[in-house]
Parts: sequence; structure tokens; C-alpha cells
Amino acid sequence: QQPVQSPQAVILREGEDAVINCSSSKALYSVHWYRQKHGEAPVFLMILLKGGEQKGHEKISASFNEKKQQSSLYLTASQLSYSGTYFCGTQTGAGSYQLTFGKGTKLSVIP
Amino acid sequence: EADIYQTPRYLVIGTGKKITLECSQTMGHDKMYWYQQDPGMELHLIHYSYGVNSTEKGDLSSESTVSRIRTEHFPLTLESARPSHTSQYLCASSELRESYNEQFFGPGTRLTVL
Repeated sequence: QQPVQSPQAVILREGEDAVINCSSSKALYSVHWYRQKHGEAPVFLMILLKGGEQKGHEKISASFNEKKQQSSLYLTASQLSYSGTYFCGTQTGAGSYQLTFGKGTKLSVIP
Repeated sequence: EADIYQTPRYLVIGTGKKITLECSQTMGHDKMYWYQQDPGMELHLIHYSYGVNSTEKGDLSSESTVSRIRTEHFPLTLESARPSHTSQYLCASSELRESYNEQFFGPGTRLTVL
């Protein structure tokens, strides 16, 4: 079951904050976040595991609410380089290594 | 930095041709994946592998086939290309572990079938 991302698109001015949400109808083991710039491959940002562990870049923060089966990615003091499409990928079990990706959130940061 | 390579980067080919998209990684990762992605759309998993001689079909039905004879190599083959196969194909790899199994993506192959 594909996770649902919101919003579909957002435009920010440099320095503004944004939140991107990812929700699933299934219980989740982990949530991964990736950013893809136009014409490039997706790049790993963060992984959040059931139980509270997480690993990711210093300037990226995210949360994972296991009960609500939701994750949110927080982008603060946005920079032009933050522009791109953000995908969440969900993993439903520890032994299920495959990710199911959402449709993506297109973020545009303007000067 | 991830070391995962895909060739060719761009391919334009006629209907009915057989093609093989190459993917190699030098990180010693056991798990490898193939995704199909149309422009501006989400990634769809079409094949994955847990290791040598292991291959599985993904969520999206695909007419392609894959093989995993060596850990570092995971080629994808289309026996007879059709215009509906036009898309971007992304290869990825990850370590075989339950936690922190982030995926590293190759640059992709953009395929156009005329």
C-alpha cells in the first residue's frame, strides 16, 4: 500500500520553514526520506526506525509517530539547495527490505 | 559517497530490440534493486535481489528480467523493447541488515523506445 504524502507541492522563500508529511494505512517498521533533484538520482536524507532510532543528515530533522503510522520531515531555514522532490519510502517489517515510495512532494525554494 | 554505476545513461532504441541495462556497485552490498520512474512521478520497484542467485519481482509488474551472478553486478534485460517501456530505470543497493538499510541510487538510465 503506497504511503500518502502531503502537500503535493510547496513554494518557499529562502529562510522559511516547511513540513512534509507521509502517512500509511499499514503498521510501519521504518520510514526513509529521499530528495531527488531534477534529472538526478534520489539521495538519502534520513531513516527513522520503530522504537525511536534515527539516522540522517545533521540539518534535517524528522519525526515518526508509530501509532498514527505517520512521519514528518522538517525543513527549517530553507535554502535554494533544498529545492527538489522529496519522497518518503516505507518499510512494513524488519525482514521486508523493500520500500514502497509515496508520490513525492515537490519543494521549490525561491530567493 | 556511494559507488554505484549505471550504463548506458541514455538509450534510444527501436521497437523489438533486446536491451540490457547495466548496474554495478563497489560497496559490497548484498541487496540490489531496480526501480522504474516516469518523469515527475514516484519510484516503482520492479526487481530486487538479496544476494547472488537471488532475484524477486517487485510491486510493479514488468516484462524485464534480471540476474545476479556476482554480488556487484545486477543487469536488467528487456527481450523485446516496446514504446510502453520508455521510462527512467534506477538501480540501487543497500546493506543486508534490518536497521539503517538506506538505499544508494545510481544515476539512472533514461530509455526511449521508438
